[in-house]
Amino acid sequence: GENVEQHPSTLSVQEGDSAVIKCTYSDSASNYFPWYKQELGKGPQLIIDIRSNVGEKKDQRIAVTLNKTAKHFSLHITETQPEDSAVYFCAATFRDDKIIFGKGTRLHILP
Amino acid sequence: DAGVIQSPRHEVTEMGQEVTLRCKPISGHNSLFWYRQTMMRGLELLIYFNNNVPIDDSGMPEDRFSAKMPNASFSTLKIQPSEPRDSAVYFCASSLGQEKLFFGSGTQLSVL
Repeated sequence: GENVEQHPSTLSVQEGDSAVIKCTYSDSASNYFPWYKQELGKGPQLIIDIRSNVGEKKDQRIAVTLNKTAKHFSLHITETQPEDSAVYFCAATFRDDKIIFGKGTRLHILP
Repeated sequence: DAGVIQSPRHEVTEMGQEVTLRCKPISGHNSLFWYRQTMMRGLELLIYFNNNVPIDDSGMPEDRFSAKMPNASFSTLKIQPSEPRDSAVYFCASSLGQEKLFFGSGTQLSVL
C-alpha cells in the first residue's frame, strides 16, 4: 500500500550538534520527496524537497539525501539552533500525485 | 499574499451536530488538499481536488464526511453527524500542481 515510515518519533540533540531524521517509502514509482517543519499552533511549512533524479540537495544548514534503490531518504540539520525545535514531517508522492506524510519527528534542541 | 485561509480557527460542538470547515486557497493554485492531524495517526490525507474536481477521496473516513469545491477560491469539509473521535486539527493546503503544498493554520475541532 501507500506508506511512509519515519524515524525516530522523538529526537533530542545538543545545540550545535547535527540531527538526522530518516524515512522510507513503499512505492518505487514515487518521484518527489518534500520535508515540512511544523511549529506549535501552525500548519506545516515546506523547508526542502528533492526529486528522484537527484541524490542530494543542500540549503544552508539543511540537506536531504535520497537512495532510490533502498527507497529511503533522510533530512540532515547541521549546527542545530534553538529555533530548529519543531515537528518535522517527511512525505512522498504516490499514484495520482497524492502526497502521503510520515508520522513526524519531534525535534528538541537542548541548550 | 494572505496564504491559505481556514475558518473557524477553533470549533467546539456537541456530538451529533453538523460541522462545516472552510478553506480559501492561495489565488492561482489549482490543487487543494484536506488533511486531518492527530497524535496517533499523524497527518492523514482525507481528499484532494485538482481544478475543483475531487481526484481521490479514499482517505475520507466514512460517509459522515463530505467535501466540496464549488469554485477555485473556496472549499468546505463537512461532518454530519459529528462524533467525539472526529476531534482533531483539520488542515487545508493548496498548491500549483501537486508539489510544494502551502498549509493553512488549521481548524482545531473538539466534539464533546
